[in-house]
Amino acid sequence: QVQLQESGPGLVKPSGTLSLTCAVSGAPIISSDWWTWVRQPPGKGLEWIGEIYHGGNTNYNPSLKSRVTISIDTSRSQFSLRLSSLSAADTAVYYCARGPPPRTPAGFDSWGQGTLVTVSS
Amino acid sequence: DIQMTQSPSSLSASVGDRVSITCRASQSVSTYLNWYQQKPGKAPYLLIYAASGLQSGVPSRFSGSGSGTDFTLTISSLQPEDFATYYCQQSSSTPRTFGQGTKVEMK
Repeated sequence: QVQLQESGPGLVKPSGTLSLTCAVSGAPIISSDWWTWVRQPPGKGLEWIGEIYHGGNTNYNPSLKSRVTISIDTSRSQFSLRLSSLSAADTAVYYCARGPPPRTPAGFDSWGQGTLVTVSS
Repeated sequence: DIQMTQSPSSLSASVGDRVSITCRASQSVSTYLNWYQQKPGKAPYLLIYAASGLQSGVPSRFSGSGSGTDFTLTISSLQPEDFATYYCQQSSSTPRTFGQGTKVEMK
């Protein structure tokens, strides 16, 4: 049973950079899976941020692409999210999840519990 | 980007009711369409993959149908634990977009 756990600061300042890490256990991070970040502003819907493959290939949401970096550390079985130039609109619960390769008949079948990041001075 | 539009945005129903939620894609996603359930304070939970595949462990009262641009999630007999928000999501192309959600509330 794969488990994912997000960690990182819960409060960041405007114009600053958000850094989160997702630890993967119970399944190899080196697999056919793509490791994903999704966020959800308070009271709103889900927004896909981007994903990474163990080889380092990435896909990003064009709406965030200029500010987002997703990286992976296979030796530690974890992947990370960096989001820069923060504003209040980036306040959200951030989830990490396991996803299928593109155009595979499968969904995000494992999720972390989510971590609330608030952007405020 | 492929836009996903769900209807209705919310609905009120009673235990035992048959409930249907629709999801429309702005262009064909074939059957690369997934459905999730989310309860307050919890992560989303995968119910249906590839438009009609029932994820392991999900009760059989949940079903999905459709292909191309039009999809439906049906709950055959609503149970108390089914009051939640439901999201569709396409995995045909990136960005892997979600619908805006449908909140199922108790009548």
